[in-house]
Amino acid sequence: KAGVTQTPRYLIKTRGQQVTLSCSPISGHRSVSWYQQTPGQGLQFLFEYFSETQRNKGNFPGRFSGRQFSNSRSEMNVSTLELGDSALYLCASKLASSYNEQFFGPGTRLTVL
Amino acid sequence: GENVEQHPSTLSVQEGDSAVIKCTYSDSASNYFPWYKQELGKRPQLIIDIRSNVGEKKDQRIAVTLNKTAKHFSLHITETQPEDSAVYFCAASKDTDKLIFGTGTRLQVFP
Repeated sequence: KAGVTQTPRYLIKTRGQQVTLSCSPISGHRSVSWYQQTPGQGLQFLFEYFSETQRNKGNFPGRFSGRQFSNSRSEMNVSTLELGDSALYLCASKLASSYNEQFFGPGTRLTVL
Repeated sequence: GENVEQHPSTLSVQEGDSAVIKCTYSDSASNYFPWYKQELGKRPQLIIDIRSNVGEKKDQRIAVTLNKTAKHFSLHITETQPEDSAVYFCAASKDTDKLIFGTGTRLQVFP
């Protein structure tokens, strides 16, 4: 079974721009979570989607948003990019919201100049 | 708020020795504790997890122990090998809620 995939793998943007990242979960997995990984803050939870609905949300500003499609693929969007948004963005999928085990994708490395 | 502390931040051991990484969580309602291994430039990979209804779980050279009273859990790696070198993250969650991660431990195993 193919693992979680994320596109693009690398992205360079400038301050003020917006960006959309994509995540395709493991086949059959319906829950997708997003995390931001930085050297200073570690791995921080952004949000979780299940059945096209946001189930949980972390402590990030409203510039960070996401959505999930009927095929469970998910996108996250960051508007008005700031230098501090430079990070590795990881998505993780699990079978359903009621499960624990999460499996991570390779991440998208976002650099904001 | 919810918090997971992880120690040490770096750990160097000789090949064949044991390595122990410790985590403390703040939310007493947490009941699921996974450990992830992240090699340089790669995705975090789940290596072992434990639920609050057991005190210990073992998988070959890796074991995890949980002390609910003290809100501590630890990862034990025996007979370390150079390929064990990576950053290890502990995490905690309540039911099937979001994962709260520790800050990571960089483990270096010297041959």
